[in-house]
Amino acid sequence: GGIITQTPKFLIGQEGQKLTLKCQQNFNHDTMYWYRQDSGKGLRLIYYSITENDLQKGDLSEGYDASREKKSSFSLTVTSAQKNEMAVFLCASSIRDWGYEQYFGPGTRLTVL
Amino acid sequence: QQNVQQSPESLIVPEGARTSLNCTFSDSASQYFWWYRQHSGKAPKALMSIFSNGEKEEGRFTIHLNKASLHFSLHIRDSQPSDSALYLCAAHNTNTGKLTFGDGTVLTVKP
Repeated sequence: GGIITQTPKFLIGQEGQKLTLKCQQNFNHDTMYWYRQDSGKGLRLIYYSITENDLQKGDLSEGYDASREKKSSFSLTVTSAQKNEMAVFLCASSIRDWGYEQYFGPGTRLTVL
Repeated sequence: QQNVQQSPESLIVPEGARTSLNCTFSDSASQYFWWYRQHSGKAPKALMSIFSNGEKEEGRFTIHLNKASLHFSLHIRDSQPSDSALYLCAAHNTNTGKLTFGDGTVLTVKP
């Protein structure tokens, strides 16, 4: 089995601050994803990466940047934190693309002061 | 553009009951359909998937898919308190290749 690790677990920033969330997976999966989950709601795709060095925008990419540094790691940057994007950010991976099961990390909860 | 809607938003059932959760989608060419379960404070975890019309059963869980009516559902037999969670359905969007998730159904199973 494998695991997805997200750091930090809790992230507190000031409005307008640039913040970075990190994700590591040891499944050796090709595809990785970043989702945002607002309180009690579904998942909205921010960015995904089909393979190392690939980057694709999701439906919610405005205000975010992403980086796939290597196969096992995928980072997300909030370019200018806003109060209305306080949420849980979930990282996921799958062996290949969309037809395969996605495995999720425990999430990073973002608070903006 | 794929639109995925779930109903009901929340549901409370007694232990032992049969529970039905519904999902409708808008892209008639969708090929992959998933149910994920998320216990409070935990990561979502895939429960079941279905790729062709019909029914699939795994233990107490059954998925029905009817592509003609743009509908799929999850049925839980003999519901347990440990089944209490947020249930998310997802359908594949053929234009973008991406999965679109619904907003979820919160299920509470009372002992």
